[in-house]
Amino acid sequence: GAGVSQSPRYKVAKRGQDVALRCDPISGHVSLFWYQQALGQGPEFLTYFQNEAQLDKSGLPSDRFFAERPEGSVSTLKIQRTQQEDSAVYLCASSLAPGGDLNEQFFGPGTRLTVL
Amino acid sequence: AQTVTQSQPEMSVQEAETVTLSCTYDTSESDYYLFWYKQPPSRQMILVIRQEAYKQQNATENRFSVNFQKAAKSFSLKISDSQLGDAAMYFCAYRSWYSGGGADGLTFGKGTHLIIQP
Repeated sequence: GAGVSQSPRYKVAKRGQDVALRCDPISGHVSLFWYQQALGQGPEFLTYFQNEAQLDKSGLPSDRFFAERPEGSVSTLKIQRTQQEDSAVYLCASSLAPGGDLNEQFFGPGTRLTVL
Repeated sequence: AQTVTQSQPEMSVQEAETVTLSCTYDTSESDYYLFWYKQPPSRQMILVIRQEAYKQQNATENRFSVNFQKAAKSFSLKISDSQLGDAAMYFCAYRSWYSGGGADGLTFGKGTHLIIQP
Protein backbone atom coordinates (compact mmCIF):
# COMPACT_ATOMS: atom_id res chain seq x y z
CA GLY A 1 0.00 0.00 0.00
CA ALA A 2 0.90 3.64 -0.17
CA GLY A 3 1.41 3.96 3.56
CA VAL A 4 0.65 2.46 6.94
CA SER A 5 -3.05 2.41 7.69
CA GLN A 6 -4.82 1.89 10.97
CA SER A 7 -8.40 1.22 11.90
CA PRO A 8 -10.51 2.36 13.48
CA ARG A 9 -9.26 5.94 13.65
CA TYR A 10 -11.34 6.56 16.77
CA LYS A 11 -12.64 4.12 19.34
CA VAL A 12 -14.74 4.80 22.41
CA ALA A 13 -15.02 1.95 24.88
CA LYS A 14 -16.69 1.55 28.20
CA ARG A 15 -14.43 0.52 31.04
CA GLY A 16 -14.13 -3.24 31.07
CA GLN A 17 -14.74 -3.76 27.37
CA ASP A 18 -12.25 -5.48 25.08
CA VAL A 19 -10.97 -3.62 22.03
CA ALA A 20 -9.01 -4.62 18.94
CA LEU A 21 -6.93 -2.17 16.93
CA ARG A 22 -5.73 -3.03 13.45
CA CYS A 23 -2.59 -2.04 11.60
CA ASP A 24 -1.86 -2.58 7.89
CA PRO A 25 1.84 -1.96 7.32
CA ILE A 26 3.46 -0.99 4.06
CA SER A 27 3.56 -4.04 1.79
CA GLY A 28 6.82 -5.94 2.11
CA HIS A 29 7.90 -4.33 5.36
CA VAL A 30 9.46 -6.87 7.67
CA SER A 31 9.35 -4.93 10.91
CA LEU A 32 6.24 -3.69 12.69
CA PHE A 33 6.04 -1.63 15.85
CA TRP A 34 3.28 -0.52 18.20
CA TYR A 35 3.55 2.62 20.30
CA GLN A 36 1.28 4.25 22.87
CA GLN A 37 1.05 8.04 22.94
CA ALA A 38 -0.66 9.59 25.94
CA LEU A 39 -2.00 13.11 25.62
CA GLY A 40 0.81 15.67 25.54
CA GLN A 41 3.53 13.02 25.59
CA GLY A 42 5.86 11.38 23.13
CA PRO A 43 5.10 7.89 21.87
CA GLU A 44 6.25 5.00 24.03
CA PHE A 45 7.30 1.67 22.59
CA LEU A 46 4.98 -1.25 23.24
CA THR A 47 6.04 -4.19 21.08
CA TYR A 48 7.95 -5.23 17.96
CA PHE A 49 7.45 -7.88 15.30
CA GLN A 50 9.87 -9.17 12.73
CA ASN A 51 7.61 -10.87 10.21
CA GLU A 52 5.25 -12.99 12.34
CA ALA A 53 7.61 -13.31 15.28
CA GLN A 54 7.05 -11.04 18.25
CA LEU A 55 10.65 -10.37 19.24
CA ASP A 56 10.08 -7.76 21.90
CA LYS A 57 7.05 -7.10 24.08
CA SER A 58 8.87 -5.38 26.89
CA GLY A 59 6.79 -2.22 26.58
CA LEU A 60 3.36 -3.79 27.00
CA PRO A 61 2.06 -2.24 30.23
CA SER A 62 0.14 -5.25 31.51
CA ASP A 63 -1.05 -8.70 30.58
CA ARG A 64 -4.27 -7.12 29.36
CA PHE A 65 -2.37 -6.03 26.27
CA PHE A 66 -1.79 -8.58 23.55
CA ALA A 67 -0.50 -8.18 19.99
CA GLU A 68 -0.28 -10.55 17.08
CA ARG A 69 0.84 -10.64 13.47
CA PRO A 70 -0.02 -14.17 12.40
CA GLU A 71 0.90 -13.97 8.72
CA GLY A 72 3.64 -11.41 8.95
CA SER A 73 1.61 -8.56 7.50
CA VAL A 74 -1.49 -7.19 9.27
CA SER A 75 -1.17 -6.79 13.03
CA THR A 76 -3.78 -6.48 15.76
CA LEU A 77 -3.31 -4.95 19.18
CA LYS A 78 -5.90 -6.20 21.63
CA ILE A 79 -6.65 -4.67 24.98
CA GLN A 80 -8.78 -6.68 27.37
CA ARG A 81 -10.89 -5.22 30.16
CA THR A 82 -10.01 -1.65 29.19
CA GLN A 83 -9.34 0.89 31.92
CA GLN A 84 -9.32 4.68 31.84
CA GLU A 85 -5.53 4.82 31.90
CA ASP A 86 -5.53 2.96 28.56
CA SER A 87 -6.91 6.11 26.89
CA ALA A 88 -4.28 7.19 24.39
CA VAL A 89 -3.41 7.23 20.72
CA TYR A 90 -2.00 3.91 19.56
CA LEU A 91 0.48 4.28 16.73
CA CYS A 92 1.68 1.58 14.41
CA ALA A 93 4.89 1.86 12.40
CA SER A 94 6.63 -0.38 9.89
CA SER A 95 10.09 -0.52 8.41
CA LEU A 96 11.56 -2.40 5.48
CA ALA A 97 14.25 -4.13 7.51
CA PRO A 98 15.15 -4.43 11.18
CA GLY A 99 18.56 -2.86 11.07
CA GLY A 100 21.00 -0.86 9.07
CA ASP A 101 20.05 1.97 6.79
CA LEU A 102 16.68 0.45 5.91
CA ASN A 103 15.30 0.81 9.40
CA GLU A 104 13.36 4.05 8.86
CA GLN A 105 10.00 3.67 10.55
CA PHE A 106 6.91 4.85 8.71
CA PHE A 107 4.00 5.68 10.96
CA GLY A 108 0.28 5.26 10.56
CA PRO A 109 -2.26 7.92 11.56
CA GLY A 110 -3.00 6.21 14.86
CA THR A 111 -6.11 5.04 16.65
CA ARG A 112 -7.39 7.34 19.38
CA LEU A 113 -8.84 5.19 22.15
CA THR A 114 -11.05 6.80 24.76
CA VAL A 115 -12.15 4.68 27.70
CA LEU A 116 -15.13 6.03 29.60
CA ALA B 1 18.07 2.40 29.23
CA GLN B 2 18.22 5.39 26.99
CA THR B 3 16.42 8.64 27.68
CA VAL B 4 15.64 11.60 25.44
CA THR B 5 14.95 15.06 26.82
CA GLN B 6 13.35 17.97 25.02
CA SER B 7 13.40 20.92 27.38
CA GLN B 8 11.29 23.28 25.27
CA PRO B 9 7.58 22.39 25.51
CA GLU B 10 6.75 25.20 23.06
CA MET B 11 8.61 27.45 20.67
CA SER B 12 7.36 30.31 18.54
CA VAL B 13 9.01 31.82 15.48
CA GLN B 14 8.11 34.40 12.87
CA GLU B 15 7.52 33.13 9.37
CA ALA B 16 10.76 33.18 7.32
CA GLU B 17 12.93 33.28 10.45
CA THR B 18 15.17 30.54 11.83
CA VAL B 19 14.40 28.45 14.90
CA THR B 20 16.39 25.83 16.79
CA LEU B 21 14.81 23.01 18.76
CA SER B 22 16.88 21.37 21.47
CA CYS B 23 17.32 17.71 22.31
CA THR B 24 19.65 15.91 24.67
CA TYR B 25 19.89 12.20 25.26
CA ASP B 26 21.56 9.78 27.56
CA THR B 27 23.05 6.47 26.46
CA SER B 28 25.96 4.18 27.20
CA GLU B 29 26.09 2.98 23.61
CA SER B 30 28.61 4.29 21.10
CA ASP B 31 26.64 3.48 17.97
CA TYR B 32 23.07 4.62 17.47
CA TYR B 33 20.69 6.62 15.32
CA LEU B 34 19.01 9.91 16.13
CA PHE B 35 15.89 11.24 14.46
CA TRP B 36 13.65 14.24 14.36
CA TYR B 37 10.01 13.50 13.62
CA LYS B 38 7.25 15.99 12.83
CA GLN B 39 3.69 15.32 13.96
CA PRO B 40 1.12 17.72 12.46
CA PRO B 41 -2.36 17.97 13.98
CA SER B 42 -3.51 15.08 11.73
CA ARG B 43 -1.18 12.98 13.94
CA GLN B 44 0.72 11.13 11.20
CA MET B 45 4.35 11.13 12.28
CA ILE B 46 6.75 12.09 9.50
CA LEU B 47 10.51 11.67 9.53
CA VAL B 48 12.26 15.02 9.11
CA ILE B 49 15.92 14.07 9.39
CA ARG B 50 18.16 11.31 10.71
CA GLN B 51 21.73 11.15 11.93
CA GLU B 52 23.98 8.14 12.37
CA ALA B 53 26.20 8.57 15.40
CA TYR B 54 29.31 7.36 13.58
CA LYS B 55 29.02 10.18 11.04
CA GLN B 56 30.76 13.38 12.07
CA GLN B 57 29.06 15.43 9.39
CA ASN B 58 25.79 16.98 10.45
CA ALA B 59 22.76 15.84 8.43
CA THR B 60 20.93 18.33 6.24
CA GLU B 61 17.62 18.07 4.42
CA ASN B 62 16.70 21.24 2.54
CA ARG B 63 15.70 23.81 5.20
CA PHE B 64 16.30 21.36 8.05
CA SER B 65 19.69 20.71 9.57
CA VAL B 66 21.01 19.29 12.79
CA ASN B 67 23.81 20.17 15.16
CA PHE B 68 25.02 16.81 16.47
CA GLN B 69 27.42 17.01 19.39
CA LYS B 70 28.21 13.40 20.32
CA ALA B 71 30.36 14.16 23.35
CA ALA B 72 27.73 16.46 24.77
CA LYS B 73 24.93 14.08 23.76
CA SER B 74 23.11 16.90 22.09
CA PHE B 75 21.10 16.81 18.88
CA SER B 76 19.39 20.08 17.97
CA LEU B 77 17.25 20.76 14.92
CA LYS B 78 17.52 24.03 13.00
CA ILE B 79 14.69 25.07 10.71
CA SER B 80 15.60 27.87 8.33
CA ASP B 81 13.13 30.10 6.51
CA SER B 82 10.25 28.86 8.65
CA GLN B 83 6.99 28.29 6.82
CA LEU B 84 3.42 28.05 8.07
CA GLY B 85 3.43 24.37 7.15
CA ASP B 86 6.22 23.73 9.63
CA ALA B 87 3.81 24.23 12.53
CA ALA B 88 3.59 20.91 14.37
CA MET B 89 4.87 18.88 17.29
CA TYR B 90 8.49 17.91 16.83
CA PHE B 91 9.87 14.81 18.50
CA CYS B 92 13.47 13.85 18.94
CA ALA B 93 14.02 10.09 18.97
CA TYR B 94 16.81 7.61 19.63
CA ARG B 95 17.35 4.14 18.27
CA SER B 96 20.07 1.69 19.10
CA TRP B 97 22.37 0.63 16.28
CA TYR B 98 21.87 -2.97 17.19
CA SER B 99 18.68 -4.87 16.49
CA GLY B 100 17.01 -7.38 18.73
CA GLY B 101 16.70 -7.66 22.48
CA GLY B 102 14.62 -4.54 22.95
CA ALA B 103 16.81 -2.28 20.87
CA ASP B 104 14.50 -2.00 17.92
CA GLY B 105 11.95 0.49 19.17
CA LEU B 106 12.40 4.23 19.15
CA THR B 107 12.77 6.18 22.38
CA PHE B 108 11.07 9.56 22.05
CA GLY B 109 11.29 12.83 23.90
CA LYS B 110 8.15 14.60 25.07
CA GLY B 111 8.10 16.88 22.09
CA THR B 112 8.24 20.58 21.28
CA HIS B 113 5.19 22.38 19.95
CA LEU B 114 6.35 24.73 17.20
CA ILE B 115 4.19 27.74 16.42
CA ILE B 116 4.78 29.78 13.28
CA GLN B 117 3.68 33.40 13.52
CA PRO B 118 2.57 34.85 10.14
